[in-house]
Amino acid sequence: KAGVTQTPRYLIKTRGQQVTLSCSPISGHRSVSWYQQTPGQGLQFLFEYFSETQRNKGNFPGRFSGRQFSNSRSEMNVSTLELGDSALYLCASSLGQAQPNYNEQFFGPGTRLTVL
Amino acid sequence: DQQVKQNSPSLSVQEGRISILNCDYTNSMFDYFLWYKKYPAEGPTFLISISSIKDKNEDGRFTVFLNKSAKHLSLHIVPSQPGDSAVYFCAATGDKLIFGTGTLLAVQP
Repeated sequence: KAGVTQTPRYLIKTRGQQVTLSCSPISGHRSVSWYQQTPGQGLQFLFEYFSETQRNKGNFPGRFSGRQFSNSRSEMNVSTLELGDSALYLCASSLGQAQPNYNEQFFGPGTRLTVL
Repeated sequence: DQQVKQNSPSLSVQEGRISILNCDYTNSMFDYFLWYKKYPAEGPTFLISISSIKDKNEDGRFTVFLNKSAKHLSLHIVPSQPGDSAVYFCAATGDKLIFGTGTLLAVQP
């Protein structure tokens, strides 16, 4: 069974631009969560989607948005990029059901975003 | 406001000895705790978890201890192996998964 895939793996953007990251979950998984990893803050939860609906949201500004498609693939968008948005963005998938099953949550390798 | 804290950014131990990674949390409503391991250029992988109704969970060389009164959990790895060298994150769940900042474990051969 293929794992969670994220594209692109690396991305360089400049301040003010916008970016879209993609995540394809494991086949059959309906929950996709997004996290931002920075050296000082560790992993911070961005949002979680289940069956095309945002089910939970972290404490990030509205510049960070996401969506999920009917095939469970998810995209994350960041508008008006700032230097501080430079980070590793990870997505994770799980079966979902009532809430994400964190024991069975599988992470992708991440997208490394650099904002210049 | 960091609700889950790993105060040691790094730890170095000798192969065969015990590794003890620590984690503190502030929110008494957390009901489930997990440890993840992360190698460079890979996403975190789930390692072991513990429910708030337990104080110990063991899986092979890995044991997690939970002290609810102290709001503290620890991960013990015995014996440590060079392949255990990675960043270890503790995490806690309430309505969402909250991660600590990670501890880099280096196991010296």
